[in-house]
Amino acid sequence: KNEVEQSPQNLTAQEGEFITINCSYSVGISALHWLQQHPGGGIVSLFMLSSGKKKHGRLIATINIQEKHSSLHITASHPRDSAVYICAVRWAGNQFYFGTGTSLTVIP
Amino acid sequence: ETGVTQSPTHLIKTRGQQVTLRCSSQSGHNTVSWYQQALGQGPQFIFQYYREEENGRGNFPPRFSGLQFPNYSSELNVNALELDDSALYLCASSSYRDPETQYFGPGTRLLVL
Repeated sequence: KNEVEQSPQNLTAQEGEFITINCSYSVGISALHWLQQHPGGGIVSLFMLSSGKKKHGRLIATINIQEKHSSLHITASHPRDSAVYICAVRWAGNQFYFGTGTSLTVIP
Repeated sequence: ETGVTQSPTHLIKTRGQQVTLRCSSQSGHNTVSWYQQALGQGPQFIFQYYREEENGRGNFPPRFSGLQFPNYSSELNVNALELDDSALYLCASSSYRDPETQYFGPGTRLLVL
């Protein structure tokens, strides 16, 4: 049983396409995180959300607390966006729960 | 780029051996969490240390143990290695006052043969 579900698992897009990655979770949380992981393994935090919407450059993250759902959008995708995108949540206790990740490949 | 470093970057061991992985936290961070990430999976929480004490543990057996030192650097020790222990091991540091913000290290890739 995974408390955090992501879809799709894999995604291939043409350069310039609009991309959406979805994340659902099963319990109430204090915040949801979107992370980016490049092939080398290092993880970079993109967003932390507790409500509404955040935007950073071509990346937009939204969250609906009532529906326990979040989306990460990438506008005008570029090959350098190719990476694994992971959502993570933290609730009671100290541990984070991570989704299995969405592997994105953007083709020139 | 975060200030969290891990060593070694890669490691190969055989079944039954023991391994120690190291993590140096971001300056000023007194909390470190360790994660195991198997290929194609998201990270799984192993445990967290705060002020040199274990402060939460995930579903990992006792052969996974840790230490945190006064300078907040940390070690993950795994005894009696199994093939399934092959994974990327990540540490992440945070401040206890801001537990939501974690800074990840680059990871140590462990292969058990």
